[in-house]
Amino acid sequence: GAGVSQSPSNKVTEKGKDVELRCDPISGHTALYWYRQSLGQGLEFLIYFQGNSAPDKSGLPSDRFSAERTGGSVSTLTIQRTQQEDSAVYLCASSLDWEPPGQFFGPGTRLTVL
Amino acid sequence: GEDVEQSLFLSVREGDSSVINCTYTDSSSTYLYWYKQEPGAGLQLLTYIFSNMDMKQDQRLTVLLNKKDKHLSLRIADTQTGDSAIYFCAERGGGATNKLIFGTGTLLAVQP
Repeated sequence: GAGVSQSPSNKVTEKGKDVELRCDPISGHTALYWYRQSLGQGLEFLIYFQGNSAPDKSGLPSDRFSAERTGGSVSTLTIQRTQQEDSAVYLCASSLDWEPPGQFFGPGTRLTVL
Repeated sequence: GEDVEQSLFLSVREGDSSVINCTYTDSSSTYLYWYKQEPGAGLQLLTYIFSNMDMKQDQRLTVLLNKKDKHLSLRIADTQTGDSAIYFCAERGGGATNKLIFGTGTLLAVQP
């Protein structure tokens, strides 16, 4: 019964570099979500994966952002050519494919772009 | 559009009740949630309410939903210093997606 885990917990990178953030959802959860939390924008939805369906990418802020979910489990969020405005805490959540009880969040990855 | 609003700050004394308010705009929301975030931590799901309910009680937590006014509140009875945190309300986005639309968060400060 482990919860959602994310790695790394902190990432400092230079502007223009690519970064990869990893999320391990709760075992048995078919839905996986990425959100971003920043001072200026609050909590924003980025992308949603549900089973074998096409992901909902409507929240990705630019084409520098992409995400994959392999084997219906682990997900990787990739940010290419990072910019300073990408600095934020990136949160991953997972849930069963029906509601309730809701989405369960990991501890987040704090990304700092210098 | 979808927008969820909360007051930014609430200060209470230990032992008092706290009431955190939230307004939302999407009348098609089926579920509404309350999450708690402690400093440096992720979001902890506290409770949720289905849109056909007016009230839900869970130990010290009471959720009230006024669907007509699109108003949601979270009451914490006998507030403790460990309840100090940021509280977010969230509505499930409409349509096929399960994304959550979060409020701005309310910082609850509990004074001893």
